[in-house]
Amino acid sequence: GAGVSQSPSNKVTEKGKDVELRCDPISGHTALYWYRQSLGQGLEFLIYFQGNSAPDKSGLPSDRFSAERTGGSVSTLTIQRTQQEDSAVYLCASSPARGYEQYFGPGTRLTVT
Amino acid sequence: TQLLEQSPQFLSIQEGENLTVYCNSSSVFSSLQWYRQEPGEGPVLLVTVVTGGEVKKLKRLTFQFGDARKDSSLHITAAQPGDTGLYLCAGTMIKAAGNKLTFGGGTRVLVKP
Repeated sequence: GAGVSQSPSNKVTEKGKDVELRCDPISGHTALYWYRQSLGQGLEFLIYFQGNSAPDKSGLPSDRFSAERTGGSVSTLTIQRTQQEDSAVYLCASSPARGYEQYFGPGTRLTVT
Repeated sequence: TQLLEQSPQFLSIQEGENLTVYCNSSSVFSSLQWYRQEPGEGPVLLVTVVTGGEVKKLKRLTFQFGDARKDSSLHITAAQPGDTGLYLCAGTMIKAAGNKLTFGGGTRVLVKP
């Protein structure tokens, strides 16, 4: 079956502009996660959605970052007034209701110039 | 300092040699996972360990979860160039909401032919 998909695969934007990153999770997965990976580094948790519960936003680095998940499926991560330090690969993962496994998408590489 | 410390950060070996990657923490984890990530792609789950002292084998890869569930190791026997990649350990802390993963900094493995 189809895995997690993300779009765009690459995004170059000017400092100060807003960007939207999209994630389509695996069908039927109730949990969805966003992570950020800086060049050659491990992954940093950003936000987590589980069903209709309020999202866990504890990893968002500033109020310029927000995310929503519509209809319990597709999610959009929005970064307002982008800064150069926002440049990173943004990864989305989904997980079934039970179990620990998370399945990752290919990521969106964001470059802020 | 990261909650999960991986060592070494970088490992370069010849094809046919063995290697071990370590993942250590002072915290207890309810589960621990190992991922491999190749350039331009998202991490791919290799294994999940949940029981202290557990050993899992996946072909030439052997994964071990420490008795106290604070550490883990990944051992590759007779490494091949196809094993080249970024290896990431990730743990779910006890009582973490939604199985949120905490990642180590990663170990970059290069297997030269």
